[in-house]
Amino acid sequence: AQSVTQLDSQVPVFEEAPVELRCNYSSSVSVYLFWYVQYPNQGLQLLLKYLSGSTLVKGINGFEAEFNKSQTSFHLRKPSVHISDTAEYFCAVSDQGDSGNTPLVFGKGTRLSVIA
Amino acid sequence: ETGVTQTPRHLVMGMTNKKSLKCEQHLGHNAMYWYKQSAKKPLELMFVYSLEERVENNSVPSRFSPECPNSSHLFLHLHTLQPEDSALYLCASRLGTGLYNEQFFGPGTRLTVL
Repeated sequence: AQSVTQLDSQVPVFEEAPVELRCNYSSSVSVYLFWYVQYPNQGLQLLLKYLSGSTLVKGINGFEAEFNKSQTSFHLRKPSVHISDTAEYFCAVSDQGDSGNTPLVFGKGTRLSVIA
Repeated sequence: ETGVTQTPRHLVMGMTNKKSLKCEQHLGHNAMYWYKQSAKKPLELMFVYSLEERVENNSVPSRFSPECPNSSHLFLHLHTLQPEDSALYLCASRLGTGLYNEQFFGPGTRLTVL
């Protein structure tokens, strides 16, 4: 069975500093990988996704993530954070054999707090 | 605006009540999902409706009952809930064809069971 581990439940960081949110997954098959962001009182919004091709994926709001198959990781990074990046971030995985019924498996989330 | 709306946004109910959560999407999607989001836990997929087929997580109690009358509307009927069912209930939809298409989430219904 698939699982996703987000190693940090909370990450405080000063404004304009770089940040990395870690995600590791376990799966016996090839996967699709995702990062979602949840702002207060809102649903989840897709930041970026890895389906195939280049292992470095760029998303919205200046975020990027790198797929590392050997380490089964998909860490999210941003070189300079803003106060508005304060939110909960979720990593998710899905089998590449996906159909509409194949579920996304989510991690527990990492709360990013940007400090002025 | 994600295109997925949920009502009500907040709901407080007693354990003997019956209520329903509503989700609506006008994105032309053909798959809809209910998730439960509890503090300090991963999102839990409860139900999937895809191309009129229903798939459910067998660990979801029968006091939760989904209904999908058409591809744009999804309901979650609640009856005799327990306090541990208090959580944020998220609806999502996607276009379930071809290479993976992202799920679009609604803002959620915050449910409190007293």
